[in-house]
Amino acid sequence: DAGITQSPRHKVTETGTPVTLRCHQTENHRYMYWYRQDPGHGLRLIHYSYGVKDTDKGEVSDGYSVSRSKTEDFLLTLESATSSQTSVYFCAISPSYEQYFGPGTRLTVT
Amino acid sequence: GIQVEQSPPDLILQEGANSTLRCNFSDSVNNLQWFHQNPWGQLINLFYIPSGTKQNGRLSATTVATERYSLLYISSSQTTDSGVYFCAVLGSEYQLIWGAGTKLIIKP
Repeated sequence: DAGITQSPRHKVTETGTPVTLRCHQTENHRYMYWYRQDPGHGLRLIHYSYGVKDTDKGEVSDGYSVSRSKTEDFLLTLESATSSQTSVYFCAISPSYEQYFGPGTRLTVT
Repeated sequence: GIQVEQSPPDLILQEGANSTLRCNFSDSVNNLQWFHQNPWGQLINLFYIPSGTKQNGRLSATTVATERYSLLYISSSQTTDSGVYFCAVLGSEYQLIWGAGTKLIIKP
């Protein structure tokens, strides 16, 4: 158990509303990541963080922002959700060279 | 960028059978992981194996970095082995680059 939780686990929201997903780790690791998984695309990196207040963009960052004010929490925000952001979102941590994944959040934007 | 290809895309086996899944990558890597995504969507780490061979119970993996491939062996398959198996390598900027996965179905 890598000590990663995500909340909420499921969410349905309407187009145009803001949404924030939370990733929480109990292990105090420096690196944290947000991915999305869609059929036919595998997992794609949205943003990652290499420390408190240190974040950077991944492959598919448009429409997403992140914040990391504490080591244990990494927040992903959709400022104005769109139907194309319907997906399963995974958070990951990296103690060293490996990445470990949380249980995922299934987000549906109607 | 690095390309990761997995084969076969789909595999259907009877319980008790053995299988070999392959992962090819287009450039030298120093970080390769195998994951199992179970039918409930959970991603489970199987191996971190940039080179060499590792074994964990009925599963083992071998990476030949110089020839740019990795193999995952599953012996005496059980229905709980069903799901999608991914390999992923670390690209630039800490991004894991994923193969498309092998979907494994184990029939009782």
